[in-house]
Amino acid sequence: EPEVTQTPSHQVTQMGQEVILRCVPISNHLYFYWYRQILGQKVEFLVSFYNNEISEKSEIFDDQFSVERPDGSNFTLKIRSTKLEDSAMYFCASSEGRLTYNEQFFGPGTRLTVL
Amino acid sequence: AQSVAQPEDQVNVAEGNPLTVKCTYSVSGNPYLFWYVQYPNRGLQFLLKYITGDNLVKGSYGFEAEFNKSQTSFHLKKPSALVSDSALYFCAVSHLLSGNTPLVFGKGTRLSVIA
Repeated sequence: EPEVTQTPSHQVTQMGQEVILRCVPISNHLYFYWYRQILGQKVEFLVSFYNNEISEKSEIFDDQFSVERPDGSNFTLKIRSTKLEDSAMYFCASSEGRLTYNEQFFGPGTRLTVL
Repeated sequence: AQSVAQPEDQVNVAEGNPLTVKCTYSVSGNPYLFWYVQYPNRGLQFLLKYITGDNLVKGSYGFEAEFNKSQTSFHLKKPSALVSDSALYFCAVSHLLSGNTPLVFGKGTRLSVIA
């Protein structure tokens, strides 16, 4: 069964450093998302991406964040200068169709720890 | 704005007993409702969704959920719980008819099934 994969599973970084979180969506999916979950809190939407551009982004997704699809398979989230409050589990998701009721398939997450 | 409430942080049930995990939502317009499950060190796995039609929706692993418009609820149920059902369960909502609208999640309910 196809699945979304994410690397690394755990990333530790120093405050102010740049990090890149990587995702490989399901191959025939066209819509990609990043969500995050701060420990003990809700899963929160960050950004959605279609046709090589951002479709929608939340207030969390400020200028420190960027997304890219550098090739035909990877989808990355970059945080330019990490802050302590960026520590969270980051989930990538993808969906096949453009309708909002198409279920999103999630990866296992990357746990980001900012020291 | 859309929102989802999962009033219980933890639900404990004995193996073989029926289980219910509660979810209520708030959305303008028609809701699209989802349940996801998260096992340790795994991503969110899709269980079931309600789009339209029959209020009782059946999903994976014997789970079902009932959409109740008057009570704005979408409770997850299973007639006979298994120890392997122990996990974190998330209810989510979206509502726009088109576009890759993000999911809005509840904070999650931890289900513990005791042998």
